[in-house]
Amino acid sequence: RKEVEQDPGPFNVPEGATVAFNCTYSNSASQSFFWYRQDCRKEPKLLMSVYSSGNEDGRFTAQLNRASQYISLLIRDSKLSDSATYLCVVNSLFNDYKLSFGAGTTVTVRA
Amino acid sequence: NAGVTQTPKFQVLKTGQSMTLQCAQDMNHEYMSWYRQDPGMGLRLIHYSVGAGITDQGEVPNGYNVSRSTTEDFPLRLLSAAPSQTSVYFCASRSTGGWQYFGPGTRLTVT
Repeated sequence: RKEVEQDPGPFNVPEGATVAFNCTYSNSASQSFFWYRQDCRKEPKLLMSVYSSGNEDGRFTAQLNRASQYISLLIRDSKLSDSATYLCVVNSLFNDYKLSFGAGTTVTVRA
Repeated sequence: NAGVTQTPKFQVLKTGQSMTLQCAQDMNHEYMSWYRQDPGMGLRLIHYSVGAGITDQGEVPNGYNVSRSTTEDFPLRLLSAAPSQTSVYFCASRSTGGWQYFGPGTRLTVT
């Protein structure tokens, strides 16, 4: 079983719509969770950390559900510029220095 | 402050050739790592270092060597290139807060 699994999508949504997707992780002892954004043929960039209480950054909301071992990302009022692949990242089974990456969820926002 | 830099951006090798991918960071981060990214797969850790003089293997280390003589530099060496090493390679450095910063990547093709 992969350490981190994501629905690859793509999620095709119109501008202004809300889109949400999840990521599941296998190690119940994982402590650190992040969402990264990756544009086509570019490097991943940190979007936001995910905290136990949930957190919001502008139009982006991240939630953590430890009982079911998943994290979620919700994007409100989608913009064309939100089109990207969103990577779920969790710290490793054995070493907090090592991060495990999901394969990514692709979001395409259309005009 | 350049962040994480990588050279070259593109490289074509013939099977059996060796080369070194360069990576440098100017954020004084102790932790640096190398990943490869293949279509449909998450980033996979090749090697990592928790400080100058200390390196360790990641998930897919075979065929690669690393060294860390300074805090700033973390080169990745391909010993004898194989077509299976065709990939995009990202170097990253990580702050004590857990946020990871990636270089722009090196697109390597082995023929």
